[in-house]
Amino acid sequence: GENVEQHPSTLSVQEGDSAVIKCTYSDSASNYFPWYKQELGKRPQLIIDIRSNVGEKKDQRIAVTLNKTAKHFSLHITETQPEDSAVYFCAAYDQGAQKLVFGQGTRLTINP
Amino acid sequence: DSGVTQTPKHLITATGQRVTLRCSPRSGDLSVYWYQQSLDQGLQFLIQYYNGEERAKGNILERFSAQQFPDLHSELNLSSLELGDSALYFCASSPTGTGTEKLFFGSGTQLSVL
Repeated sequence: GENVEQHPSTLSVQEGDSAVIKCTYSDSASNYFPWYKQELGKRPQLIIDIRSNVGEKKDQRIAVTLNKTAKHFSLHITETQPEDSAVYFCAAYDQGAQKLVFGQGTRLTINP
Repeated sequence: DSGVTQTPKHLITATGQRVTLRCSPRSGDLSVYWYQQSLDQGLQFLIQYYNGEERAKGNILERFSAQQFPDLHSELNLSSLELGDSALYFCASSPTGTGTEKLFFGSGTQLSVL
């Protein structure tokens, strides 16, 4: 089955700097890769997703890149703001098991 | 507000007991998912239902069971509870249950087993 590894587990950046979170997956058949943000004490919310037929997708300060050959994808946040502080989860869709497999999460802290 | 309702918000019980968690999906969504989130852990997929039928199963213990009713609400039953079952249980819903669409999460049920 699919296995998703996420790094780093914690990340601290200065406000205004960029943050990058990386994930690798094991199943080359996986075709859908969402990113969820979970603020402290809140529910996870989708912030961006990418499908395997696209290499990059942007939404304002957030971008996701996908490298199918290397089986990794990354979340890029530019011009970070205090409200970006949260736990971010990557995921990959396991077509065989028909389930979304989540990474272990990255706790991002934006320092003012 | 995601439109997904979970009750209760908090549940405190003792080892060996049985509890039921309830989830009402967003209006129009046919699929319901259950996830377990332990302290500092990721989201562990338990089970998915689509229009009343089980669609996918994850790491769900035999002591746990779930169902989706004709009105599309779902219940997760946890029995013979152990200390390690203490966690935040999320329900999520999506329109078609394909797995490659946005999931709308509820606010979760915090289960504490003492």
